[in-house]
Amino acid sequence: DAGITQSPRHKVTETGTPVTLRCHQTENHRYMYWYRQDPGHGLRLIHYSYGVKDTDKGEVSDGYSVSRSKTEDFLLTLESATSSQTSVYFCAISFGLGSTDTQYFGPGTRLTVL
Amino acid sequence: TQLLEQSPQFLSIQEGENLTVYCNSSSVFSSLQWYRQEPGEGPVLLVTVVTGGEVKKLKRLTFQFGDARKDSSLHITAAQPGDTGLYLCAAHFGNEKLTFGTGTRLTIIP
Repeated sequence: DAGITQSPRHKVTETGTPVTLRCHQTENHRYMYWYRQDPGHGLRLIHYSYGVKDTDKGEVSDGYSVSRSKTEDFLLTLESATSSQTSVYFCAISFGLGSTDTQYFGPGTRLTVL
Repeated sequence: TQLLEQSPQFLSIQEGENLTVYCNSSSVFSSLQWYRQEPGEGPVLLVTVVTGGEVKKLKRLTFQFGDARKDSSLHITAAQPGDTGLYLCAAHFGNEKLTFGTGTRLTIIP
């Protein structure tokens, strides 16, 4: 199994509060991704990183920010959580960005915004 | 944003039966991957197909990439309870990031 951990695994918070999710890898992979998974939508890319301090937006980036100060850590922040951000969040890593590169996923964080 | 449609959305069959699930798009893929996701876990890659018409086998699972590179199918022979899970296709459209389908939730009844 790829060495990817996510924390916390479960979180319940209230609307308007800031939330930070952490993804940690031990594989030294260059690329890291944050996805959200919702029924009927599959996995949708929020943000991704192609190196330390190098990040870019994905399909559903509004309301989210990310930071990567070390190769092994990729943080996802909800500045002011809303109920529409209730979801399961997955971090993934990959060695490259090629069409045959494998993405390895973490176990997920279930976030509930009340 | 490119769309990947998977069908059926839900499938429940008896152990020992065969099944096929589908992944379709109106646009050409450069490559297509199939993942399986079990409850409480992240998706795990099963296979990558890159050539139109390509067929790959993984034990009782057969993956096919359509000749026109707009569709793919996954066929499972003699389904077992361990095959239960969410099956996701994911495609690269040109140089774009990986796009995931909405998934087929498969339940095998013992």
